[in-house]
Amino acid sequence: SAVISQKPSRDICQRGTSLTIQCQVDSQVTMMFWYRQQPGQSLTLIATANQGSEATYESGFVIDKFPISRPNLTFSTLTVSNMSPEDSSIYLCSVEDHNYGYTFGSGTRLTVV
Amino acid sequence: GQQLNQSPQSMFIQEGEDVSMNCTSSSIFNTWLWYKQEPGEGPVLLIALYKAGELTSNGRLTAQFGITRKDSFLNISASIPSDVGIYFCAGQGSAGNNRKLIWGLGTSLAVNP
Repeated sequence: SAVISQKPSRDICQRGTSLTIQCQVDSQVTMMFWYRQQPGQSLTLIATANQGSEATYESGFVIDKFPISRPNLTFSTLTVSNMSPEDSSIYLCSVEDHNYGYTFGSGTRLTVV
Repeated sequence: GQQLNQSPQSMFIQEGEDVSMNCTSSSIFNTWLWYKQEPGEGPVLLIALYKAGELTSNGRLTAQFGITRKDSFLNISASIPSDVGIYFCAGQGSAGNNRKLIWGLGTSLAVNP
């Protein structure tokens, strides 16, 4: 299965600042997915990132708050902008991995103070 | 967004006991996936199911794709302490927007040695 390297693994940030999360995959993939997992909750899809086009955002998530880059088929970034304590969550990237369902990075645990 | 009904929400069992959890949906799915998430990690795929009625095992884990395509269960036999974690089901439809994963809210499993 694909191997995803996600970083940072955790960060504590001041409100009003931005954090960029990186995901590197060891193989080329068409789509990468960004999720948010609030404390004790299930996964919520933020957006789907395709190489060469703008990301597709789910209801309740907007590009200004969560800009995404997808410069090539193995890499993507998610930025959490103008952070507030409500943004404290685990952020996960994922890829569809044929015959292996979806593979996830280890997540970025973000705390906004 | 849409979520699956996953039960039980939590379980506290003795080592050696068998565990059963299930997910139901109002929608038909083409794929059911079962994941386990441990603290500080992303979800890891346990079993993928692709056909109604399919029964698949992975070691002490067994999962079935319900015949109606609206439900799935996961059984863990002879539980051990390392089974501790949160188990999520996820369903996927056939095409377009229906290919987004829909997630259950998770079953938190604690095993008493």
